[in-house]
Amino acid sequence: LAKTTQPISMDSYEGQEVNITCSHNNIATNDYITWYQQFPSQGPRFIIQGYKTKVTNEVASLFIPADRKSSTLSLPRVSLSDTAVYYCLVGPGNTPLVFGKGTRLSVIA
Amino acid sequence: KAGVTQTPRYLIKTRGQQVTLSCSPISGHRSVSWYQQTPGQGLQFLFEYFSETQRNKGNFPGRFSGRQFSNSRSEMNVSTLELGDSALYLCASSFRGPNTGELFFGEGSRLTVL
Repeated sequence: LAKTTQPISMDSYEGQEVNITCSHNNIATNDYITWYQQFPSQGPRFIIQGYKTKVTNEVASLFIPADRKSSTLSLPRVSLSDTAVYYCLVGPGNTPLVFGKGTRLSVIA
Repeated sequence: KAGVTQTPRYLIKTRGQQVTLSCSPISGHRSVSWYQQTPGQGLQFLFEYFSETQRNKGNFPGRFSGRQFSNSRSEMNVSTLELGDSALYLCASSFRGPNTGELFFGEGSRLTVL
């Protein structure tokens, strides 16, 4: 399974756009890139998944360059309620998800 | 549509005892995965079941076991509990498999071993 590297923590002010980048240099051809959000004492929640180029849904965008060796989760106009840990995961379809340490995002008023 | 339901939500056991945790997946989901979350080790994969068969297994001792029933409900069992087994145990379900799309997590069962 591809190893991922993402910042341990990030701070942002309310209303700003936040970009969290994940590095996955040894991503395989059949690997997907998935991001999850986790609040304390709750299970992770799916945010977005992509394979290449750009994916957008109602809460976030995922940018994947052509070489797929990294990806960027973009959260538009964050609020205090976006304070959470964000995990980047890479792997093929039926394999278990491997969670790293994630990025702890703190949104400041 | 009901979410993933885990029971019990909280439990306290003593060393040497055994515990069984239950997970009811979202209706129609055939894949159920189990994870252990601790402050030190983070989220670690235990095992995954698909249509009653264990399809993947993480790196945990044999004291950790699980099963899935024909209605896709799953149970995990931990025998001879150790202090280090204190953790939040999370169950997640999906239609085809963990990495094929959205994986829906329950709220977890918080186990404290004294």
